[in-house]
Amino acid sequence: QKEVEQDPGPLSVPEGAIVSLNCTYSNSAFQYFMWYRQYSRKGPELLMYTYSSGNKEDGRFTAQVDKSSKYISLFIRDSQPSDSATYLCAMSELSEDDKIIFGKGTRLHILP
Amino acid sequence: EPEVTQTPSHQVTQMGQEVILRCVPISNHLYFYWYRQILGQKVEFLVSFYNNEISEKSEIFDDQFSVERPDGSNFTLKIRSTKLEDSAMYFCASSETSDNEQFFGPGTRLTVL
Repeated sequence: QKEVEQDPGPLSVPEGAIVSLNCTYSNSAFQYFMWYRQYSRKGPELLMYTYSSGNKEDGRFTAQVDKSSKYISLFIRDSQPSDSATYLCAMSELSEDDKIIFGKGTRLHILP
Repeated sequence: EPEVTQTPSHQVTQMGQEVILRCVPISNHLYFYWYRQILGQKVEFLVSFYNNEISEKSEIFDDQFSVERPDGSNFTLKIRSTKLEDSAMYFCASSETSDNEQFFGPGTRLTVL
């Protein structure tokens, strides 16, 4: 089983819809969970991060972590065409200098 | 807003040649990283660097790879003898502490012919 699983999509939704992006993981030592957004030919940009189970909200974005199910989600409300990008989940064990393990990324298209 | 920069944006090289990819991390950051992303695949960790030495490296980071911080601002990744399968986007990242808020550069696209 891969450490981090993420459906690569593509996922196409109409403008204004709520988007749900998900990842599962197998390593119970992961404690730090992140979502990155990557536009075409650009580097990953950190969107949100969280250390614990539960929800964290930032504007139109909500990150949700369920450690018991090893499942994380990113919700985007009132989606905009500018949200069209690849979204990568990522996680790490939080030890010093620890590496980040990325999901493969989900390509999202918001249709005007 | 401070950002990580990388040069060149695109490097084309012949198989067997040496390449050096350059990164300028954010100035007060102390932890540095290289990642790569082969087209259509996930971002993979290569190496982390702190206090002028490698902290951790993946199995991808074999003897053909090396990293260096030659001065107070640059952080380089050298591939000694490139192979076709080294073709990828290479991302540099840096963080102020080890708390994992890593900031990524725009990447260098390496094409090995």
